[in-house]
Amino acid sequence: QSALTQPASVSGSPGQSITISCTGPTSDVRDNHFVSWYQQHPGKAPRLIIFEVSNRASGVSHRFSASKSGDTASLTISGLQADDEAVYYCSSYRRSDPLKVFGGGTKLTVL
Amino acid sequence: QVQLVESGGGVVQPGTSLRLSCATSGFPFSSYGVHWVRQAPGEGLQWVAAISDNGINKYYVDSVKGRFTISRDNSRNTLYLHMNSLTTDDSAVYFCARPLGAIFSELTYWGPGTLVTVSP
Repeated sequence: QSALTQPASVSGSPGQSITISCTGPTSDVRDNHFVSWYQQHPGKAPRLIIFEVSNRASGVSHRFSASKSGDTASLTISGLQADDEAVYYCSSYRRSDPLKVFGGGTKLTVL
Repeated sequence: QVQLVESGGGVVQPGTSLRLSCATSGFPFSSYGVHWVRQAPGEGLQWVAAISDNGINKYYVDSVKGRFTISRDNSRNTLYLHMNSLTTDDSAVYFCARPLGAIFSELTYWGPGTLVTVSP
């Protein structure tokens, strides 16, 4: 069972915005600077899109943004496009075992 | 460019062993820590292990401690995962991944993965 909790699925129409939440223990989210987000298309390796809470990785569209409030981190995708359809994972590094945890993943469907 | 390519996966029986390799290129391998992350069929991601750039410091998820060993050969630019006493719960695609900078910075570069199936 993941220490980070995400909704199993979200959906939106092209052009709309969606937000994916990621909730976890204080040590894994609230007090943690190393919250990140990954995108994974079927059959592919994960791709880092956000690191250190809100920083976009190199080459990532400005349509992707992220933030954190209390025990919840959030990923927002604006101007949804068909290629955004994927599974999104939040993640954080921890000071205790396991040293890195992932959320259960959220499947984004673009209607 | 940075490349990581895993190999060594296959179908094995419970209780047996397997060694995965991750061949790297396009960066100074000996300057970076590297990780293994796995994904069971239809499931999410699970961090498995990490090793420091010089191979001295090694880190594991509890479920593989004592059974898996991460190692590296900096002369061959290759990362390994030695897996013993395999169980059906170890069935997964295994990815090697390199952080952007320090060992516990974000995993920026990933290989395509290699599938391990543990089946009676």
